[in-house]
Amino acid sequence: IAGITQAPTSQILAAGRRMTLRCTQDMRHNAMYWYRQDLGLGLRLIHYSNTAGTTGKGEVPDGYSVSRANTDDFPLTLASAVPSQTSVYFCASSLTGFTDTQYFGPGTRLTVL
Amino acid sequence: GQNIDQPTEMTATEGAIVQINCTYQTSGFNGLFWYQQHAGEAPTFLSYNVLDGLEEKGRFSSFLSRSKGYSYLLLKELQMKDSASYLCAVLDSNYQLIWGAGTKLIIKP
Repeated sequence: IAGITQAPTSQILAAGRRMTLRCTQDMRHNAMYWYRQDLGLGLRLIHYSNTAGTTGKGEVPDGYSVSRANTDDFPLTLASAVPSQTSVYFCASSLTGFTDTQYFGPGTRLTVL
Repeated sequence: GQNIDQPTEMTATEGAIVQINCTYQTSGFNGLFWYQQHAGEAPTFLSYNVLDGLEEKGRFSSFLSRSKGYSYLLLKELQMKDSASYLCAVLDSNYQLIWGAGTKLIIKP
């Protein structure tokens, strides 16, 4: 692995189903982030983690949860998906926090029907 | 509220120069980022300004005026590969990153 990876690349999901989007980085970055990107809107922060074992809420956290059990992994879970969660999801990481350059994964395109 | 304004779309000619503006109204300021995002891909870092003035990096330059709440990204000697969206993001007083919706730049031969 070189950089930051996300899985799956895309997914179609029935409303009400549970879904976990995976994110892994091998840069030993302390901080990680989950964003959603919708047409005509800027990237919106869902959750973030400044270091392993800690997480924080972003601008649009409702309906999503995260965990940070170790430095490399930062999964995002939709407990019960709804159509408004249809979006492109980007995971990102940075060395220490928001003041550092963020490196983005390739994204997961999620469609909730 | 917090707001980042960028033009939605711009068109320019290959070989020319284009300036993409970004104005912001945020609760405090701790820096401004520019990212490039090609269609269907992830954003990639271009520049970071925290002090007033112009920062030059090859064909790309970024300018900041904190007193005016204004930044621009200047792209010189445009190439077809510069066709992309350009995202402006401001770090506010709480060190939260506020993103603009991005400017889609179309380069014509």
